[in-house]
Amino acid sequence: KNEVEQSPQNLTAQEGEFITINCSYSVGISALHWLQQHPGGGIVSLFMLSSGKKKHGRLIATINIQEKHSSLHITASHPRDSAVYICAVSPRYQLIWGAGTKLIIKP
Amino acid sequence: GAGVSQSPRYKVAKRGQDVALRCDPISGHVSLFWYQQALGQGPEFLTYFQNEAQLDKSGLPSDRFFAERPEGSVSTLKIQRTQQEDSAVYLCASSTRGRGMNTEAFFGQGTRLTVV
Repeated sequence: KNEVEQSPQNLTAQEGEFITINCSYSVGISALHWLQQHPGGGIVSLFMLSSGKKKHGRLIATINIQEKHSSLHITASHPRDSAVYICAVSPRYQLIWGAGTKLIIKP
Repeated sequence: GAGVSQSPRYKVAKRGQDVALRCDPISGHVSLFWYQQALGQGPEFLTYFQNEAQLDKSGLPSDRFFAERPEGSVSTLKIQRTQQEDSAVYLCASSTRGRGMNTEAFFGQGTRLTVV
């Protein structure tokens, strides 16, 4: 079993839909990261969480430390949100990566 | 620029050739990481520097891989006698403090290495 599990692996939605991507992990962590990777592009850090909830624009990330679970939500999704979203956890100093969720938003 | 800069963006190497990949982290960032991302896969940890000290090189796949950060800023990942399986995107990330990825990380655009 992978230490970081993401679901779904692939998600296709219509523009405007509310999107949820889930992440579960099995190790003790100091921080959890949500990252975005566009095809052929680098990785952009969206959030770093150690507790609670963070919001940035249309993106919201939550984490439940007791349940070892985090969610990334996108409100009013737009085709430019199409990317791979990666959950990664930091038990020590390095990241353990989830497999990523490929999100496609259709106009 | 203000972000993490990697060069070259693309590198094609003949099998057996040596390559050097450069990472310019954000000025003042203490922690620096190298990751290897094969096509369709998630990034795999290679090595971690705190300032000039290489604290973890357990992810380097073979002794053909060598990384350095002599002055605690710019880092170079060197691959000797490249093999086809070395073809991947090599990502560099840096963060402000000496707590590794327990602080916000900033990633470069990566260097796509193709060994032919």
